[in-house]
Parts: sequence; C-alpha cells; structure tokens
Amino acid sequence: GAVVSQHPSRVICKSGTSVKIECRSLDFQATTMFWYRQFPKKSLMLMATSNEGSKATYEQGVEKDKFLINHASLTLSTLTVTSAHPEDSSFYICSAGDADQETQYFGPGTRLLVL
Amino acid sequence: LAKTTQPISMDSYEGQEVNITCSHNNIATNDYITWYQQFPSQGPRFIIQGYKTKVKNEVASLFIPADRKSSTLSLPRVSLSDTAVYYCLVGDPYNQGGKLIFGQGTELSVKP
Repeated sequence: GAVVSQHPSRVICKSGTSVKIECRSLDFQATTMFWYRQFPKKSLMLMATSNEGSKATYEQGVEKDKFLINHASLTLSTLTVTSAHPEDSSFYICSAGDADQETQYFGPGTRLLVL
Repeated sequence: LAKTTQPISMDSYEGQEVNITCSHNNIATNDYITWYQQFPSQGPRFIIQGYKTKVKNEVASLFIPADRKSSTLSLPRVSLSDTAVYYCLVGDPYNQGGKLIFGQGTELSVKP
C-alpha cells in the first residue's frame, strides 16, 4: 500500500510556543489530506481537510487560527499548532488518499506534549 | 456520512476465528465499507474494503449482506499480535474526497 510519513514522531514544547507537524505522501500525490487528533483511549476525531493549493476546510468546533494548515505541494501538508497549551497535548494523525481516493492511508502519528 | 455501531470490546484466544460485526443502517448507495486496525500510538492501518457480497485478502475477509446495513470483518486464526482496536467506516470516497468519520471502534483482546 501507499506510504504516508509524519515528522516529528513526538515533540515536547513549552506552553505558548508553536509547533509544526509535517505529513508527506511518499510514493503518490495527494490533492487532499486529512488531519485528525486522538486523545488516550478515544477514537480519532477529524479536524480538517487539507486541500492542495487552497484553504483548508475545518470541522465544526476546530479553530482555524489555532491549527494552521498549509498544503503547498501534492506530497506535503503541514499542521501548525499555534500558541500551544497543555490541553493541545494529543496524538495528531494525518491521512492521504491514493489517486482514486478509494482508500485512505494514515501516517504513523505525532505525539505532542505541551508543558 | 453514515453512522456506524460496533461492539466496544471483544475477547478471543489465539488460533480462534474472530468476527466483528458493524451496523450501518443509513448506508448510502455510493458508500463503501472500510475496516482499519490501530495499535496504540500508531496510525490506523488499512485492512480491507468492500461494497457488497464478500471480499477477501491475505489478512481478512469482509462479509456484506445484500441490504448492506451491516458488515462483518472476519479474522482467521488470530494471534496475540492481532490485539488492537478495529474501526469500521462507511463513506463515499468519490464525492467526499476520502473524508472518514471514525466511530468508537472495537477493542479486540487476544489471549494466549
């Protein structure tokens, strides 16, 4: 199957700083990528749809100014958590679809801990 | 997006066949059914996808009745390493661009 990578795999930062997470499709191009967050023992929650060359579409209740998404190329989407606070600590996961979008492939996730 | 309902948890023993059933009464005509597996602190991994009848691959089988209001993921001869959370998702990949809404999933525990 297709491979999606994320970087970094884990990050610890101080409250008030911004953190950027990268999501890359390694062997295919993705015009659309998705960002999820997952709290311990909970299911994945869709945050936003990242669209190559245009603005991201955010799910209800997700602050677009808090979670900045940039999809500058067909293989890279970035999620920036701005002015991070301890409540932003979570597991962030991205996904990308293959050419026909039938199947979504997920990245390995990024563990964010805000102190 | 159709809502899915799965058992919260299931227990099994090594070597047994495990069947996890997912209910999706409001499935739409163009919706596909996809199952993912997730281990702790990892992203979900694609297992199998189907539209109707039966689909089989090297890992699992997916049974979908004619009315498509439910589906059953079958894992043959599970091992300890199959302990994970299994998610059933329903969606139209062509009109929704791959957008997936996750339900609670089924936590499968395989015991020796």
